[in-house]
Amino acid sequence: AQSVTQPDIHITVSEGASLELRCNYSYGATPYLFWYVQSPGQGLQLLLKYFSGDTLVQGIKGFEAEFKRSQSSFNLRKPSVHWSDAAEYFCAVGARGGYQKVTFGTGTKLQVIP
Amino acid sequence: DGGITQSPKYLFRKEGQNVTLSCEQNLNHDAMYWYRQDPGQGLRLIYYSQIVNDFQKGDIAEGYSVSREKKESFPLTVTSAQKNPTAFYLCASSIQGLAQPQTQYFGPGTRLTVL
Repeated sequence: AQSVTQPDIHITVSEGASLELRCNYSYGATPYLFWYVQSPGQGLQLLLKYFSGDTLVQGIKGFEAEFKRSQSSFNLRKPSVHWSDAAEYFCAVGARGGYQKVTFGTGTKLQVIP
Repeated sequence: DGGITQSPKYLFRKEGQNVTLSCEQNLNHDAMYWYRQDPGQGLRLIYYSQIVNDFQKGDIAEGYSVSREKKESFPLTVTSAQKNPTAFYLCASSIQGLAQPQTQYFGPGTRLTVL
């Protein structure tokens, strides 16, 4: 079974600074990878996903993520954070072959300070 | 606009009561899911349904029940057997993923509190 780890529970960055949120997965083959964002009291919104091909994936709101097979990672990045990016971010991994559920990480809460 | 609606947004339950959370989608998706979210634990899968009249238990199905009589609807009942039901409940849907997991689209959630 697959698993995903988000080692940072809480991150604080200054507005305008760069951001990197870490995600490590465990799966025996090439996984399907997702990043979602959740504002307080709301549902999750898909930021980006990796299924195959180019390992650098562009998403919405200026986010990107890079799949690194050798490091089993799928870190989320943004070059310049805006105050509206404050939210909780979830990495998720799905397996290939037949119906396979998507496993979510425990989330990283991002605080943006002016 | 296509999307997923959940109602109510807030729900209060007395101990020993069953309550039903509504989830409706107009995305024409075959698959639907229920997750429970607790602080620091991410999302945990309760039940999922790949097609009408069929559903499967997820990781934490005990104390919950579902039905899938219509493609658009996937209600979740939290029964009195669920000992710690206070949580945020999220419904999601996706196109059918027979060979790979598909992108899930989420509703706005229902916060259930046991009094």
